[in-house]
Amino acid sequence: EVQLVESGGGLVQPGGSLRLSCAASGFTFSSYWMSWVRQAPGKGLEWVANIKQDGSEKYYVDSVKGRFTISRDNAKNSLYLQMNSLRAEDTAVYYCARLGLQLWLNQAWFDPWGQGTLVTVSS
Amino acid sequence: SSELTQDPAVSVALGQTVRITCQGDSLRSYYASWYQQKPGQAPVLVIYGKNNRPSGIPDRFSGSSSGNTASLTITGAQAEDEADYYCNSRDSSGNHGEVFGGGTKLTVL
Repeated sequence: EVQLVESGGGLVQPGGSLRLSCAASGFTFSSYWMSWVRQAPGKGLEWVANIKQDGSEKYYVDSVKGRFTISRDNAKNSLYLQMNSLRAEDTAVYYCARLGLQLWLNQAWFDPWGQGTLVTVSS
Repeated sequence: SSELTQDPAVSVALGQTVRITCQGDSLRSYYASWYQQKPGQAPVLVIYGKNNRPSGIPDRFSGSSSGNTASLTITGAQAEDEADYYCNSRDSSGNHGEVFGGGTKLTVL
């Protein structure tokens, strides 16, 4: 069974740091782009970051550039999101998702998704 | 960055057909994917690409696209289809990222 399990969320003060982890199983992790997507309470989905199979390419939404870092360890089948200089507006459930990318067919999709981990930034 | 626009809410009578739409310039370059999210749960992919359904998704879900508009159609809506639906595509602005629509709350009457 293909599965993604996030961990590492919690309550952090503004300006603080947190590292999220995502453990993958049931598929060849090193063969896929991976992503983080977040959802603020009561709001819609927002893409946060993508990372290529070998970690050589990383892309971020403008609002987290310079503060968040996506990384992966293919030997451990794990994805990470290091979040620094956290702000109240970063409060959200953070989902790990596998990115299906077929640019030659002009299509991309997220499947599957983890259950999410809640990050709350508050004093 | 690109933007995708969805109607905030749509309703459908049980057993009837409903279309949920998504508009944006990026849809002229990329197909949309669609996700169903029920309260307290993670999103689930229901349609991707031209009109592809992942394993386990009922065939009452279908997708289509024309110009800058993508559509998700549910033919014979069931009570369990009541959920939030989000469209998504690649961002065509060149930032190598993804973009989501604001979501549509589907109510099955």
